[in-house]
Amino acid sequence: GQNIDQPTEMTATEGAIVQINCTYQTSGFNGLFWYQQHAGEAPTFLSYNVLDGLEEKGRFSSFLSRSKGYSYLLLKELQMKDSASYFCAGTNAGKSTFGDGTTLTVKP
Amino acid sequence: GAVVSQHPSWVICKSGTSVKIECRSLDFQATTMFWYRQFPKQSLMLMATSNEGSKATYEQGVEKDKFLINHASLTLSTLTVTSAHPEDSSFYICSARAADRDYEQFFGPGTRLTVL
Repeated sequence: GQNIDQPTEMTATEGAIVQINCTYQTSGFNGLFWYQQHAGEAPTFLSYNVLDGLEEKGRFSSFLSRSKGYSYLLLKELQMKDSASYFCAGTNAGKSTFGDGTTLTVKP
Repeated sequence: GAVVSQHPSWVICKSGTSVKIECRSLDFQATTMFWYRQFPKQSLMLMATSNEGSKATYEQGVEKDKFLINHASLTLSTLTVTSAHPEDSSFYICSARAADRDYEQFFGPGTRLTVL
C-alpha cells in the first residue's frame, strides 16, 4: 500500500518555525510533493523531492529520506497568511496520492 | 506560465441532471490531466487520469459511466457528472501536466458542485 500519514492539526505563532512531518510506506513512490491549500481554493505547489536531502526555497524547505519513508516541510518566519492546509503527496508513474493534510493555524 | 482554468467555478443543479466541468491549460499543452474530488475538510482523492486522445483511467471505486471524462485536445479535458445526486456535491479539481515537465502538476481553481 501507499499509506501517507501526517498530523491533522498544528498551531504555531507568527514569526516562529514549524515543521510538518509526513511518513509513508517506502514502496511505490518515486517522489514526494508538498502542497499548500487555502480554504475554498485549489492546492498550490510548494516543493518536490526526488532525492534524499533538503530542498530550500525561501521561507519553505522540504526534506526527504527515502529509506525511512519520511519527509518534512519546514516553514520559517511564519506569517498569518501561512494559515492553510498542507498536503504531502507521493508520486508514482506521474500519479499522486495525497495525505489527509495538516491544518496549520498561525496565531499572532 | 502554466495556468489552468476551470469552468464553471461553481454550479448548483437539481438531482438527476448532468453537469459538465471544463478544465483548460491556457499556456501549455497538457498531455495528462487529472481529476480530483475533495469533500469538506478532507484530502484530494484522485478520480481519474486522462491522456489526450485515449480513454481515461479511473481509480478503484469511481464509476466511469457516472463520471464521463473526455480529453479531446492537448488543452481541454471535460468531466461530466451524469444523473447527479446530493452525495456528488463536492469540490472538483483538475490538474494538468505538461509534456516537458514529468512531475509537476498545475491545478485549476476548482469547481464547487452542489446538487439539490
